[in-house]
Amino acid sequence: EPEVTQTPSHQVTQMGQEVILRCVPISNHLYFYWYRQILGQKVEFLVSFYNNEISEKSEIFDDQFSVERPDGSNFTLKIRSTKLEDSAMYFCASSGTAMNTEAFFGQGTRLTVV
Amino acid sequence: ILNVEQSPQSLHVQEGDSTNFTCSFPSSNFYALHWYRWETAKSPEALFVMTLNGDEKKKGRISATLNTKEGYSYLYIKGSQPEDSATYLCASPDQTGANNLFFGTGTRLTVIP
Repeated sequence: EPEVTQTPSHQVTQMGQEVILRCVPISNHLYFYWYRQILGQKVEFLVSFYNNEISEKSEIFDDQFSVERPDGSNFTLKIRSTKLEDSAMYFCASSGTAMNTEAFFGQGTRLTVV
Repeated sequence: ILNVEQSPQSLHVQEGDSTNFTCSFPSSNFYALHWYRWETAKSPEALFVMTLNGDEKKKGRISATLNTKEGYSYLYIKGSQPEDSATYLCASPDQTGANNLFFGTGTRLTVIP
């Protein structure tokens, strides 16, 4: 069964360092997303990506964040200079069409900023 | 920002019991309502996507209803089994489009054997 895969599963980084979280969405999907969940809080939308550009982004997704689809399979989230408050579980998701159909989520990357 | 709420926050039931929980969302500019099942250390898995008022969907022992006029959805589990233990999330996209989901806090269900 096709699935969304994320690497790494855990990442510990020092404050101020850059991190890149990687995702391989389902191959024939067209929409890609990043969400995050800070411990004890709701899952929050960060950004959606379609046709090689950002289609929507939340207030959280400031200039420290960027996304890229460098080739036909990978979808990455970069945080340029991590802050303590960036510590969270980051989820990648993809869907075949817009969000009136189900999204398929990866298992998440647990990012800890120290 | 959409305010999606779920209740209860957590629930313990005995194996074999039936249970239900609630998701509430703004009834204006409704687009869709998603239910996800999230087991620990696994990916959230879609259960249902519902769009029409009065929708009822079923997958095995799990079913859901949708009332868009009053802004709520119920998820029902009939004859709970230990493998149903998970966090159940509901989410809805906002009015500006369908590309982002606003999630509730989830209902954590524990089924006691």
